[in-house]
Amino acid sequence: NAGVMQNPRHLVRRRGQEARLRCSPMKGHSHVYWYRQLPEEGLKFMVYLQKENIIDESGMPKERFSAEFPKEGPSILRIQQVVRGDSAAYFCASSPGRTNQPQHFGDGTRLSIL
Amino acid sequence: SQELEQSPQSLIVQEGKNLTINCTSSKTLYGLYWYKQKYGEGLIFLMMLQKGGEEKSHEKITAKLDEKKQQSSLHITASQPSHAGIYLCGVQGGSQGNLIFGKGTKLSVKP
Repeated sequence: NAGVMQNPRHLVRRRGQEARLRCSPMKGHSHVYWYRQLPEEGLKFMVYLQKENIIDESGMPKERFSAEFPKEGPSILRIQQVVRGDSAAYFCASSPGRTNQPQHFGDGTRLSIL
Repeated sequence: SQELEQSPQSLIVQEGKNLTINCTSSKTLYGLYWYKQKYGEGLIFLMMLQKGGEEKSHEKITAKLDEKKQQSSLHITASQPSHAGIYLCGVQGGSQGNLIFGKGTKLSVKP
């Protein structure tokens, strides 16, 4: 059974460019969560999606950040016009969505902004 | 909003020693998750505790949930270098299912 797959593992962008992070959930999981881990700040929730729906985006910055989980294909976290402060590790997790089922995490994408 | 405080922030132990990590919540705990993260990797699910007084074990790791103290503890017996990593506790942040995490406890095990 494949776990949560994220790609790329490392991504380097220059300020002002766009970053696209991909996440394929575990087989049988229809719920996807994105988290950001900044140095010294811990892991923070960004957005929660089900297929074709954003359920909760309360942790996502209002500007430049967007997320989608289309009917077919992986979930995408998109950051437009990246700035140095966007440098972080971005983790995706998935769950089957049933009550009290743990979330399983991918290995993350390390985003570096030059 | 609920906050989780983990102690200690970091811990260095000699191989073979026992250790305990604590996670204290600012609000009532209705359930708690423990994860482990190795440097450069994702989080590995360890255990989920769902009710007060519950205790679970996996290999040499035991976790307990004390609802009255709003606290959970993670105990490792006879630590090994493979136990090294960052241990994170987490709770559900609301009905939507997102997790709120503590800042983690960094464990190093000296051979």
